[in-house]
Amino acid sequence: KAGVTQTPRYLIKTRGQQVTLSCSPISGHRSVSWYQQTPGQGLQFLFEYFSETQRNKGNFPGRFSGRQFSNSRSEMNVSTLELGDSALYLCASDSGQNTEAFFGQGTRLTVV
Amino acid sequence: GESVGLHLPTLSVQEGDNSIINCAYSNSASDYFIWYKQESGKGPQFIIDIRSNMDKRQGQRVTVLLNKTVKHLSLQIAATQPGDSAVYFCAETGAAGNKLTFGGGTRVLVKP
Repeated sequence: KAGVTQTPRYLIKTRGQQVTLSCSPISGHRSVSWYQQTPGQGLQFLFEYFSETQRNKGNFPGRFSGRQFSNSRSEMNVSTLELGDSALYLCASDSGQNTEAFFGQGTRLTVV
Repeated sequence: GESVGLHLPTLSVQEGDNSIINCAYSNSASDYFIWYKQESGKGPQFIIDIRSNMDKRQGQRVTVLLNKTVKHLSLQIAATQPGDSAVYFCAETGAAGNKLTFGGGTRVLVKP
C-alpha cells in the first residue's frame, strides 16, 4: 500500500509569489492534515481536512489556505510569500477517527 | 496555546544500551499520544501510540509510558541501535478533529 505522497519535494520561490503544494493520502484515508516545520518553531499545525471540509485550523495567517478533493487528495496554497515561510511542509493522513497519522516526506520550500 | 516539551535536548547513548526520552504536555484534555521518529530529510515516522485510558503500551523494542497525573510521556527504546539515531517527537491530541500538537523533539545519537 502506497504511503503519503507529497509533490514537489523541493521548491524555490521569490518573495511575493504564491505556491501550491500537493498531498495524496494513503488509500482509504479521509483526513489530511498539514504542518509547517522550521528549526525555530518546530512542527506546527496548519489545518486539517476531512471529507472535503476544513475541520480544524491552526494559528496561521489567511495567506495559508487549503482544500481537499473528493478523492481525498489535498492541496495547500500560500500567497504573497515571505522569507519566513521557508520551511518543510508536511502532510499527514489518517482515517479521520483520531488514529495514527502517517506523514509524507514533505515539501521543502525556500523563499528567496 | 498548548505546548508539548518545546526544548530540543540531545541524548547520547551507547549502542546496545536502553534509551529513555521524556516529554511533558500541558493540555490535560489530551487523550491520544503518539511518538514519531524523524530522520534527516524525511517526514516523521510513526513509532507507537497510547490512549489516555492506558498507562503503558509496548511495541517491538519500544515502550511508551503515560503519567496523566503529572502530564508526562516517555519513550523507552531497548537495545538501542545505530539506526535509532534520529529526532524523536511526542505529539498529543484531544480536540475534535486530528490536530496534533508536537513537542520540540529530542535528538538521539547512538555511539558505536
